[in-house]
Amino acid sequence: EVHLVESGGGLVQPGGSLRLSCAASGFTFTNYAMTWVRQAPGKGLEWVSAISGGGLRTYSADSVKGRFTISRDNSKNTLYLQMTSLRADDTAVFYCARDVWTGDYFYMDVWGKGTTVTISS
Amino acid sequence: SYELTQPPSVSVSPGQTARITCSGDALPKKYAYWYQQKSGQAPVLVIYEDTKRPSGIPERFSGSRSGTMATLTVSGAQVADEADYYCYSTDSSVNRVFGGGTKLTVL
Repeated sequence: EVHLVESGGGLVQPGGSLRLSCAASGFTFTNYAMTWVRQAPGKGLEWVSAISGGGLRTYSADSVKGRFTISRDNSKNTLYLQMTSLRADDTAVFYCARDVWTGDYFYMDVWGKGTTVTISS
Repeated sequence: SYELTQPPSVSVSPGQTARITCSGDALPKKYAYWYQQKSGQAPVLVIYEDTKRPSGIPERFSGSRSGTMATLTVSGAQVADEADYYCYSTDSSVNRVFGGGTKLTVL
């Protein structure tokens, strides 16, 4: 069974940094691109960042470009999101999800339960 | 930028058919996907590539697409189907968009 478990969330002051992790199991990790999606309290879903299976290609939403860095360690079956210069509007639940390639673009088929990031002084 | 528009809420009685729409200019050329998110839980894929149902999703969930609109239909809606539903589509690896979400109430 495919399983994704996020960790690393917490309370951070504005301007601070945090690294999220997502441990994957139940599938061949290196064969899949992976994605981070976030959800601010009471709001909808927002795609954040994605990375190819080999880790060579990364993509990010304009709202986090230059502040968040996605990476992966295929030897550990783990996805990461390094977040810097955090702002109050980054407060959200962060989900990792597995990407499926349609031949034209990606969609997410399996999601983790999420980890909560709170930015406050 | 690419946008998807959903109604904020849909309400039906148990056993009735619920229809949730999603409109977007690129939908005539791109597939729509639907995610169900129950309160306090992670999203779950219920429809992919407009009409396909992942394994384990009940048959009462179906999808369609025509022109600039995609529709998620829940036939014989149950109280257990109460959730937020999000449509999703994309036209590139960086332009991935969710609709604003629709709260389905069954009571």
